[in-house]
Amino acid sequence: DQQVKQNSPSLSVQEGRISILNCDYTNSMFDYFLWYKKYPAEGPTFLISISSIKDKNEDGRFTVFLNKSAKHLSLHIVPSQPGDSAVYFCAAPHYNQGGKLIFGQGTELSVKP
Amino acid sequence: DTAVSQTPKYLVTQMGNDKSIKCEQNLGHDTMYWYKQDSKKFLKIMFSYNNKELIINETVPNRFSPKSPDKAHLNLHINSLELGDSAVYFCASSQVAGSSYEQYFGPGTRLTVT
Repeated sequence: DQQVKQNSPSLSVQEGRISILNCDYTNSMFDYFLWYKKYPAEGPTFLISISSIKDKNEDGRFTVFLNKSAKHLSLHIVPSQPGDSAVYFCAAPHYNQGGKLIFGQGTELSVKP
Repeated sequence: DTAVSQTPKYLVTQMGNDKSIKCEQNLGHDTMYWYKQDSKKFLKIMFSYNNKELIINETVPNRFSPKSPDKAHLNLHINSLELGDSAVYFCASSQVAGSSYEQYFGPGTRLTVT
């Protein structure tokens, strides 16, 4: 049972344009969400998070939007840069199970110059 | 300074062997984790320790045994390696047990079983 889903395995965007990465979840108990960025041969690095008491969190070029009724969140990157090319994972901590992170399958973003 | 380090980065071994992967964090965190990223790129929790105590133990074969000598170290020992154990294993740490929030990941260990 995949409780966090990223249905787009890949996304290609032109440099300078907006990148929108989507994530859906099924567990209504989730109240905190994180986005991680992963380069090849490296571990995931934390990018941005959002609590369910908010519907938006912004950090520089990165903004995460949360729609609780739709159980959907999205990560916007504006403007996209070639260095943003990586795999992006959304994740949610499962507090009833020791706080483990439940990850989506990841979306590979390619930003073309 | 590397926050979460793992050794080795690459490990190639034959079926039936026993191997260990080491993890160390210098962030002062009290919780450490092992994740497995399989061939389909899914990242899944295997174990978690808080102050040397096991708090998460997913459905993992008992050939996998974590050991935490202190809260800065969490090692993973695998007995009788099988082809299906080939994957990338990530160690991570976080500050608060039971509320993972931001977890900091090591660079991963790519295990190949032949």
